[in-house]
Amino acid sequence: EDQVTQSPEALRLQEGESSSLNCSYTVSGLRGLFWYRQDPGKGPEFLFTLYSAGEEKEKERLKATLTKKESFLHITAPKPEDSATYLCAAMYNNNDMRFGAGTRLTVKP
Amino acid sequence: DVKVTQSSRYLVKRTGEKVFLECVQDMDHENMFWYRQDPGLGLRLIYFSYDVKMKEKGDIPEGYSVSREKKERFSLILESASTNQTSMYLCATHFLNTIYFGEGSWLTVV
Repeated sequence: EDQVTQSPEALRLQEGESSSLNCSYTVSGLRGLFWYRQDPGKGPEFLFTLYSAGEEKEKERLKATLTKKESFLHITAPKPEDSATYLCAAMYNNNDMRFGAGTRLTVKP
Repeated sequence: DVKVTQSSRYLVKRTGEKVFLECVQDMDHENMFWYRQDPGLGLRLIYFSYDVKMKEKGDIPEGYSVSREKKERFSLILESASTNQTSMYLCATHFLNTIYFGEGSWLTVV
């Protein structure tokens, strides 16, 4: 069965302290790698899609990158409003979409 | 903007009750999904539908059924709710290789 694993489970940062979240996935048959942000009590909000190794996408303080076996979500100089759970998901050739359990990010002022 | 609307945000139901969770999308998308989300388990696919009156089982269909009579509406049905179905339920639609989610329905079964 295809798998997506995110690490760490939880991350606490000081405001301005940059870091990265990791997502590793089953490589065979990958069509796309997705990142979502989820605030408490709400549905996931789409952030990025990456399709091929070497691809990068940015949005404000977030940058997502993709290698042949993992993806990273880099957070530069985070602010408290970046606190959320970040979900990674992989879509495969059979349209199967697998989600990781998420990384819960807390940014302290 | 893609809009996926789940009409019930918070529900409390008794064991054995029949529960309907409604989801409506406004973009004429063919593909719709129901997931449940539990701490530490991530999102798990319950059912999905590629067209009106079509339905396919996901990873955890037991105890659930679905209905899709119109393209824009996809309903999740718990025939006889049980306490282990207490969870957050997320409806989603698939468009241009991306899945867009509704706000979620928190169901508590007591």
